[in-house]
Amino acid sequence: KQEVTQIPAALSVPEGENLVLNCSFTDSAIYNLQWFRQDPGKGLTSLLLIQSSQREQTSGRLNASLDKSSGRSTLYIAASQPGDSATYLCAGGMEYGNKLVFGAGTILRVKS
Amino acid sequence: GAVVSQHPSRVICKSGTSVKIECRSLDFQATTMFWYRQFPKKSLMLMATSNEGSKATYEQGVEKDKFLINHASLTLSTLTVTSAHPEDSSFYICSARRLAAWGEQFFGPGTRLTVL
Repeated sequence: KQEVTQIPAALSVPEGENLVLNCSFTDSAIYNLQWFRQDPGKGLTSLLLIQSSQREQTSGRLNASLDKSSGRSTLYIAASQPGDSATYLCAGGMEYGNKLVFGAGTILRVKS
Repeated sequence: GAVVSQHPSRVICKSGTSVKIECRSLDFQATTMFWYRQFPKKSLMLMATSNEGSKATYEQGVEKDKFLINHASLTLSTLTVTSAHPEDSSFYICSARRLAAWGEQFFGPGTRLTVL
């Protein structure tokens, strides 16, 4: 059974810092790995999707990496801004992406 | 592109009543839609997967007679919480996957259900 863990559970940083969010999974047979952002009381916004055959994806200030052999993914946020404050969720896609197993999330606060 | 809407965004109902939540893919056809539940400060748990024109597949521990799912068209899936009780209060989120999207799911904004 796939289990996804995110560390840290919460993170507070000053504006402008670069930061790394960690995600680990127990079953390396993932189809893809997705990072999401969730604002309080809102749905999920997809940030980056990494296919199992890929090592990383980049979008603007965000970079996500995937290492299937070690069961880890990281989300790197460069030059953080207060608007980046949100909960970040990672999810391992199983069964051709039909089943997403979510981590509990990292609550990020970027202080101005 | 790839916008998913949910209606209503919030609903408050009395115990024993049924509540229907709609999930629509606005600018694409979704052969598969998913329903998730999120408890406060917890992550999302997949409840069921629905494919257009066929019965939904429920995850272990999810009562199919309690949570009725209908996926009548390529752009609409509905979740009906029957005979709702306070323990059904939660945040329900749907997602949709379009054809040839390499497994990527696009999520709706969620529906906050409160059962009194």
